[in-house]
Amino acid sequence: EDQVTQSPEALRLQEGESSSLNCSYTVSGLRGLFWYRQDPGKGPEFLFTLYSAGEEKEKERLKATLTKKESFLHITAPKPEDSATYLCAVLPGDSNYQLIWGAGTKLIIKP
Amino acid sequence: NAGVMQNPRHLVRRRGQEARLRCSPMKGHSHVYWYRQLPEEGLKFMVYLQKENIIDESGMPKERFSAEFPKEGPSILRIQQVVRGDSAAYFCASSPRRVGTNSNQPQHFGDGTRLSIL
Repeated sequence: EDQVTQSPEALRLQEGESSSLNCSYTVSGLRGLFWYRQDPGKGPEFLFTLYSAGEEKEKERLKATLTKKESFLHITAPKPEDSATYLCAVLPGDSNYQLIWGAGTKLIIKP
Repeated sequence: NAGVMQNPRHLVRRRGQEARLRCSPMKGHSHVYWYRQLPEEGLKFMVYLQKENIIDESGMPKERFSAEFPKEGPSILRIQQVVRGDSAAYFCASSPRRVGTNSNQPQHFGDGTRLSIL
């Protein structure tokens, strides 16, 4: 069964304290892996798409990486405004649209 | 605002009433996806529509739930005879073409409708 697991469920960091969020997946093939950010009361906001192992994408303090089994979202020197829930979604090889979603990691950055 | 627009943002219904949730996709997007989200859970796919066509409704309960995306106007998710278990956040997303075709087009989301059943 296709599955996406995110860890940890919640992460509290001090401002400036770098860390990584994990998204591990078991799917039949991989057409793409997507990272989104979701603020309370809002919809998911697209961050990155990764398509193949070894690929990396960066945006400000965020960098996403991909292996054959998992993806990491690295957060460098985070600020309080980076606090949000980060969602990972996978598009399996046998689907053109039906994303499989993880439950998310709730990130809290304390000033 | 050229983003995905959902309304209402909050909807309260009593058991047995009908709920209608609306979604206007981003300009130029012809593919619409509806999701349901419960607290602490991932998004669950419900239905995928193109203009005037339901492509995949495998994630939507066969009873009481229906969806449409007419030629003119927004996409509608309709829940008849609501029950307490229907309480959730319902999100709509759109894309210019199917995610997974040879492009980098992700799904873009609205801010959802929070449905509460009394």
